[in-house]
Amino acid sequence: EPEVTQTPSHQVTQMGQEVILRCVPISNHLYFYWYRQILGQKVEFLVSFYNNEISEKSEIFDDQFSVERPDGSNFTLKIRSTKLEDSAMYFCASSAGQVFPGELFFGEGSRLTVL
Amino acid sequence: RKEVEQDPGPFNVPEGATVAFNCTYSNSASQSFFWYRQDCRKEPKLLMSVYSSGNEDGRFTAQLNRASQYISLLIRDSKLSDSATYLCVVNGKDSSYKLIFGSGTRLLVRP
Repeated sequence: EPEVTQTPSHQVTQMGQEVILRCVPISNHLYFYWYRQILGQKVEFLVSFYNNEISEKSEIFDDQFSVERPDGSNFTLKIRSTKLEDSAMYFCASSAGQVFPGELFFGEGSRLTVL
Repeated sequence: RKEVEQDPGPFNVPEGATVAFNCTYSNSASQSFFWYRQDCRKEPKLLMSVYSSGNEDGRFTAQLNRASQYISLLIRDSKLSDSATYLCVVNGKDSSYKLIFGSGTRLLVRP
């Protein structure tokens, strides 16, 4: 069964460092997303991406965050200068898009710990 | 008012029980509704979409009341494997791909 894969599964970083989280969405999907979940809290939308550009973003997705699809398979989330409050599980997701908005398939997540 | 509100639970029920979860949402422009399931420290997985006329998938029945902005999930004949957190999810507004998640209702099914 096709799946969304994410790397790394866990990253520990120092405050102020740059972090890149990587995702390989399902190959024929057209829409890509990043969500995050702070421990014990709800899943929160960060950004959606379609046709090589951001289609929607939340207030959380400020100038410290960026996304990129550098090639035909990878979808990355970059946090330029991490803060303690960026510690969370980051989920990448993709959807086919033919039926709005369709099922989102989530990756297993990348746990980010900022010290 | 929270965008998507759920009773956090936990609901602690014996195997075989029927359990119902409720959810309310604040944006009357939302058009798409879902129940996702999340196991501890795992990713959310779609359980079922919720349609206006109500829909059933095996032991699971979902209902939508647009007038009251209320969604429900009924689980019949609970199994141990149903133990998880159930997330009520709506899209942000008409034609939005942004999904808004509730905080979830935790279900514990005991032997």
